[in-house]
This record gives sequence, C-alpha cells and structure tokens, in this order.
Amino acid sequence: GAVVSQHPSWVICKSGTSVKIECRSLDFQATTMFWYRQFPKQSLMLMATSNEGSKATYEQGVEKDKFLINHASLTLSTLTVTSAHPEDSSFYICSASLDWPSTDTQYFGPGTRLTVL
Amino acid sequence: RKEVEQDPGPFNVPEGATVAFNCTYSNSASQSFFWYRQDCRKEPKLLMSVYSSGNEDGRFTAQLNRASQYISLLIRDSKLSDSATYLCVVNKVRGSQGNLIFGKGTKLSVKP
Repeated sequence: GAVVSQHPSWVICKSGTSVKIECRSLDFQATTMFWYRQFPKQSLMLMATSNEGSKATYEQGVEKDKFLINHASLTLSTLTVTSAHPEDSSFYICSASLDWPSTDTQYFGPGTRLTVL
Repeated sequence: RKEVEQDPGPFNVPEGATVAFNCTYSNSASQSFFWYRQDCRKEPKLLMSVYSSGNEDGRFTAQLNRASQYISLLIRDSKLSDSATYLCVVNKVRGSQGNLIFGKGTKLSVKP
C-alpha cells in the first residue's frame, strides 16, 4: 500500500516552455503533498507543501509564480514549471502523506527528471 | 552549521564488511529521525526510523544521541545490493509543515 506515482518520469523541453508534472497517490487519500527538487550530488530540497483545496506554502527562495502547484483533489497534485530555463533542469520528486503532521511518514513518488534545453 | 550533515563518502567496502555512517543535526528541537536509501536516479526510500533507545532491523542498526545531536547507521555483513546513497533525515519540529530536512547523503559502494 501507500503508492505514489509521478508522470512523466522524464521530460525534455525547450527553454521558455511550461512543463506540468503530476503526482498521484494511488491507494490512499493524501491530505498533504510535498514537492522536492534535487540537483546532482545535492540533497533533496523542499520546494513547497500543498494541502488539498488550499494554496501551497512555498519555501524561501522558491518563486510561486514560476512553480505553480495545484492540489485539487486528495489524490492528485500538479507542479507546473512555467517558462522553464536550463537552470530548472533537475530531478523533481513529490511525496504524499496520509495525516501530516500527525504522522511523519511521507511516501515518495519515483521522481520526474526534467531537462530544459 | 548545516541543518543535517553527513560524510559524503564514498565508502568502498568489500562484501561482508561492517560499515558505519554518521550524521549530525543542528536543531536541538528536532523530533524524529530517519535513514533513507536512495539508488542512483531514483526516489528515496525509507530504510528505518531512528529511536532514542536505538533500533535494529536485520543487518541494520540505527542509534540516536540527542545530547550530541548525532545519528548513526551500522550495516553488518554488507551485500552488493546495499550499494546506494544513504540519507540522514530529520523532522525539524512536529506540527509545522514540510519539515523533513535531508542530508546530502553518504555513498556506499560494496564490491565483490
């Protein structure tokens, strides 16, 4: 149980285009979903926390107008990288939690590797 | 001081060896602690939680020293399949959002 999927698993796009990444909890309802970014040889860095039906909370330094997050249902959150640039190339990983913050457990998706040319 | 610090390695060990990883964290208010494993180009997977009393899961033993703000992971009888990056993860303060802080990881390579 507690499976999280992401789509697409990898994407290559041209600079200036927008890319949407989907994160789905397949067998549970996720009240909270998280979006992380990981650059090569770096740690996972939290970008934002989203709760179903409300606006996402962004970490310091993450532009909310560039990284649009929508958490429209208890099983789906989307991250849209708008006007992507090569420096946005990274590994984007979502995670979902059943009952955050009562429980610490986050279930991670397999990640989306974004390459911006 | 970084919030979570780990020796990046790599640790190159032969099969059957015992290897230990260390991690320090800066926030004394941290509530819970974990070791995750991340394979190359994959998502992190929870290996084990770390409790104050220390805990063991098969060949893996985790220990926490709150006074020193130090966490360790011991792997006994290393297998080739243990090759991965091991991430030390700290939950900063219970009740706040998005508070899992990840270390950069320690890379382990187990050789035949």
